[in-house]
Formats: sequence, C-alpha cells, structure tokens
Amino acid sequence: DAGVTQSPTHLIKTRGQQVTLRCSPKSGHDTVSWYQQALGQGPQFIFQYYEEEERQRGNFPDRFSGHQFPNYSSELNVNALLLGDSALYLCASSLVQAQERDTEAFFGQGTRLTVV
Amino acid sequence: AQSVTQLGSHVSVSEGALVLLRCNYSSSVPPYLFWYVQYPNQGLQLLLKYTSAATLVKGINGFEAEFKKSETSFHLTKPSAHMSDAAEYFCAVRPGYQKVTFGTGTKLQVIP
Repeated sequence: DAGVTQSPTHLIKTRGQQVTLRCSPKSGHDTVSWYQQALGQGPQFIFQYYEEEERQRGNFPDRFSGHQFPNYSSELNVNALLLGDSALYLCASSLVQAQERDTEAFFGQGTRLTVV
Repeated sequence: AQSVTQLGSHVSVSEGALVLLRCNYSSSVPPYLFWYVQYPNQGLQLLLKYTSAATLVKGINGFEAEFKKSETSFHLTKPSAHMSDAAEYFCAVRPGYQKVTFGTGTKLQVIP
C-alpha cells in the first residue's frame, strides 16, 4: 500500500502565478482534506472533499480551490500566488462510513511550495 | 469554535527521562483528540487517538495520553525518552465530525 502520495514534492513559483498540487489517497479511502502548514506553525485546514464535492472549508480565500476526481484523487489550486502562500501543503485521506465516526486521517509527505 | 493549546513550543529531556507534552483543548461538543508526530521534511504520522472509549490511550512507540474532561487536557507521555523520539508533536481536536484543528506544535529535543 503506497499510502497517501503527493506531487510534486517541491515547487518554486513566482508571485501572481497559479499552482496545482496533486494528491492520491490511501487505497480504500474516499475523503481528501488539504492543509497548509507555514514554517513553525501547525497545519491549518483548507478544505475537505468527499464524493467530488467540497464538504467543509476553513478560513482561506477563494484563491484556494480544489477538485476531487471519480478515483478519489484530488487537486489543490491556488491562484494569484502571494509570498505568504509559501508553506508545506499536506494532503490527508480518510474513509467516511455512516456508522464509523472516528476515522483517522493518513497524511502524505507534503508539497513544499516556495513563492518568490 | 474549537481550539488547541500546546504549552511549550520546545521541550528538552535527557535520554531515558520522562516525556510530557501538554495539550489543552476547547470544544463545544464531545471531541475526538489526536496526537501526531512530524519528523523533518515529512508528513504527519498518527501516534494515538481518543474516540470516547478508554480515557487512557496507548499509541505507537511507547507513547500514551490520558483524556481528562474536567481539565480539558490530553497530555502525551512516554516513560523513557529515546533519541529517535526527537521530532515535532502536534495535538489536534475534532469536535464530532467537524474539521480538525491542530495546535502549534511542540519540538521535542532528546539530550544524550
């Protein structure tokens, strides 16, 4: 089992550009959540996707958008990049089951985005 | 809204000494609580989780945590620190099935 995989591992972009990050969930998982972890901070929840729809969203501007595909993989898109968007972006996958409310999330290694 | 407070951004212990990492939370509904560990340039790995069963939760690598509702705490402990325990540790809360909120993390240094 490959677990959660993210690509690319590192990325450098220029301010104002757009970026797309990708995530493949752990086998058997159907829910993907994205987090932003700035240097020296804890992860901040961006949004969660289930059944190809955004189910929950944190306090992030509309420049942050996402998508989930029928195979449960997901993309995170960030438009009009700012210097402050530089961070480690983590993807986590989990399984939603009607009777199981304590599903844990498995995290990928993250994508390190640097905006210059 | 839920929140997590981790007391001490940096904790140093001697190898073989007790590890105690503190976490206090607030939640409007009964929460699920988690401890994650993060090694440099890595993602987060789940150490243990509290899901309203036993209040004393045992995790991987000899770690355990006790849920104390009256103190709104979920402190992480390990009887004897090992050099490989040096990492950053994050406490997280999830009220019901809402989004997960992480603390700001505690970096654990183990001194030989």
